[in-house]
Amino acid sequence: GAVVSQHPSWVICKSGTSVKIECRSLDFQATTMFWYRQFPKQSLMLMATSNEGSKATYEQGVEKDKFLINHASLTLSTLTVTSAHPEDSSFYICSARDSGEQFFGPGTRLTVL
Amino acid sequence: QKEVEQNSGPLSVPEGAIASLNCTYSDRVSQSFFWYRQYSGKSPELIMSIYSNGDKEDGRFTAQLNKASQYVSLLIRDSQPSDSATYLCAVPEYGNKLVFGAGTILRVKS
Repeated sequence: GAVVSQHPSWVICKSGTSVKIECRSLDFQATTMFWYRQFPKQSLMLMATSNEGSKATYEQGVEKDKFLINHASLTLSTLTVTSAHPEDSSFYICSARDSGEQFFGPGTRLTVL
Repeated sequence: QKEVEQNSGPLSVPEGAIASLNCTYSDRVSQSFFWYRQYSGKSPELIMSIYSNGDKEDGRFTAQLNKASQYVSLLIRDSQPSDSATYLCAVPEYGNKLVFGAGTILRVKS
């Protein structure tokens, strides 16, 4: 299957700082990528759909000014968590579509102190 | 919005047995269906996709689709302890988003 990478795999930051997470499609081009969040023992929650060259589409209840998404190329989407707080600590996972199937990155574990 | 239902489990099977995971969906016009496996602390991994009624086999995995009954299942033959994970059923929605079921926890006991 297609390969999606994420960087960093884990990050610890202080409350109030911003954190950027990168999602890359390594062997295919992705006009659309998706960002998910998963809290321990809970289901995946879709946060937003990232569209190359245009604004992201956010799911209901997700603050677009707090979770900034940029999809500047066909292989890279970034999620920036601005002014992070402890409640933002979670497992952030991106995915991308290739040939009708969706492949996930390995995830980024964010801990906000 | 489409709904995807799965029994949360846990489903416990002995090593070597067949594990049967089930999923129902609400939208009759859904055309494609996906099974993902998620190990604890890891991201989901696509293990099967199915588009047509009937069975699709890949190694020890068989996906079964019945569109009339709005039902898709995943069979795992010769279950191994390494198959212990959460299995997620997913159906595409508009904009190519995936709607996931809550997942079924599978435990294979040696």
